[in-house]
Amino acid sequence: GAVVSQHPSRVICKSGTSVKIECRSLDFQATTMFWYRQFPKQSLMLMATSNEGSKATYEQGVEKDKFLINHASLTLSTLTVTSAHPEDSSFYICSAFVQASRGKAFFGQGTRLTVV
Amino acid sequence: QKEVEQNSGPLSVPEGAIASLNCTYSDRGSQSFFWYRQYSGKSPELIMSIYSNGDKEDGRFTAQLNKASQYVSLLIRDSQPSDSATYLCAVNVAGSSNTGKLIFGQGTTLQVKP
Repeated sequence: GAVVSQHPSRVICKSGTSVKIECRSLDFQATTMFWYRQFPKQSLMLMATSNEGSKATYEQGVEKDKFLINHASLTLSTLTVTSAHPEDSSFYICSAFVQASRGKAFFGQGTRLTVV
Repeated sequence: QKEVEQNSGPLSVPEGAIASLNCTYSDRGSQSFFWYRQYSGKSPELIMSIYSNGDKEDGRFTAQLNKASQYVSLLIRDSQPSDSATYLCAVNVAGSSNTGKLIFGQGTTLQVKP
């Protein structure tokens, strides 16, 4: 399957600071990427759809000014958690859609964010 | 609201048995259906996709789709302890087959006991 690389895998930051998470498609071009958040023992909740060259589309209830998404190239999307708080601690996962794959999406390794 | 429902489990089966995982979805317009496996602390891994009514087999895995009943299932034959994980059912948002936007169920935790 297609390879999606996410970095970093783990990060600990202080409250009030910002954290950037990168998501790269390594062997294909991804015009659309997705960002999910997963709390312990819960399913994946879609946060936003990242579109190359245009603004991200955020799901209801997700603060676009807090979760900044940039998709500047066909292989890279970034999620920046701004002014992080302990309640932002979660597992953040990106996925990339492969064109002509009939809807298949492949996931990055995920980023465990802990805000202290 | 579009929903995907799964029994959270845990579903416990002995090694070598068949594990049956079920999923229902609400959006009749959905066209693509997926099963992902997620080990604790890891990201989901795609194991099966199905698009047409009926069965699709891949090794020990069989996915079943019934669009009339809005029902998707996954059978795992000869279950192994390494199959112990959470299995996520995912359904594409109707009209989004060309974007990959998915809705996930809450996942079913499978425990295969030696």
